[in-house]
Amino acid sequence: DVKVTQSSRYLVKRTGEKVFLECVQDMDHENMFWYRQDPGLGLRLIYFSYDVKMKEKGDIPEGYSVSREKKERFSLILESASTNQTSMYLCASSGQGNQPQHFGDGTRLSIL
Amino acid sequence: AQTVTQSQPEMSVQEAETVTLSCTYDTSESNYYLFWYKQPPSRQMILVIRQEAYKQQNATENRFSVNFQKAAKSFSLKISDSQLGDTAMYFCAFMRAGNEKLTFGTGTRLTIIP
Repeated sequence: DVKVTQSSRYLVKRTGEKVFLECVQDMDHENMFWYRQDPGLGLRLIYFSYDVKMKEKGDIPEGYSVSREKKERFSLILESASTNQTSMYLCASSGQGNQPQHFGDGTRLSIL
Repeated sequence: AQTVTQSQPEMSVQEAETVTLSCTYDTSESNYYLFWYKQPPSRQMILVIRQEAYKQQNATENRFSVNFQKAAKSFSLKISDSQLGDTAMYFCAFMRAGNEKLTFGTGTRLTIIP
C-alpha cells in the first residue's frame, strides 16, 4: 500500500528558528511536493521536486527552501520561521505521467 | 495560468441522499486531467476520482461519479446514497498534461447529517 510519512503531526516553534519538516515515501516515486493548506485558500504549492537534487519553485516559495538528497525523502526548510508561516503543511508524491498524488497526514505547524 | 473555482464553501445533506459538488476551471489547454480529492477530519487527503480530458466518458468509482463538461469547463462530483463517512472537505484539482503539478480549488466542506 502507498505510504507517505511526515515526521510530525504537530510542531510548535519560535519566531526566527530554523525549522525542518521531513517527508518520506515508500513508492519509489519520482515526484514529491510540499503544500501549505490554509482555510479558504485551499492547497498552495510551495516547492516541487521531480528527481533527486532537482527542485522547482511553486506558487509561494518565499521564506522556504527544500532538499532532496535521496529519492524517498523530501525536506521542507523554513530558514527563519515567522508567524505568518503558521499553517498546515502537506507532503505528496506521485509517479511519472500525470499520476494522482498521494498525500501524507500533514504537519500542523505553529510559530509563536 | 490555470484557476480552479469551487463556489460552494459548505454543504450539508441528509444521509442516503444524493449531493453534487460543483467545480469550474479556466485553462487554454486542450489536454489535461481533473481530480477530486477528499480530506476527512482525520486529515489525510485521498483520491476520489480522476478524469482525463480527452475521454468523453464520465469517470465513476462506486457511489462517486463526475459530470465532465469540457466546453463549459465544468467538473462536478456526484455522491449517491451519501454515508456518514463521506463527511469531509472535498477539493477539485487540475493538472496540465505533461506537467505533474496540481492546481487546487478552495474546497467544499460537506457534512452528512444522520
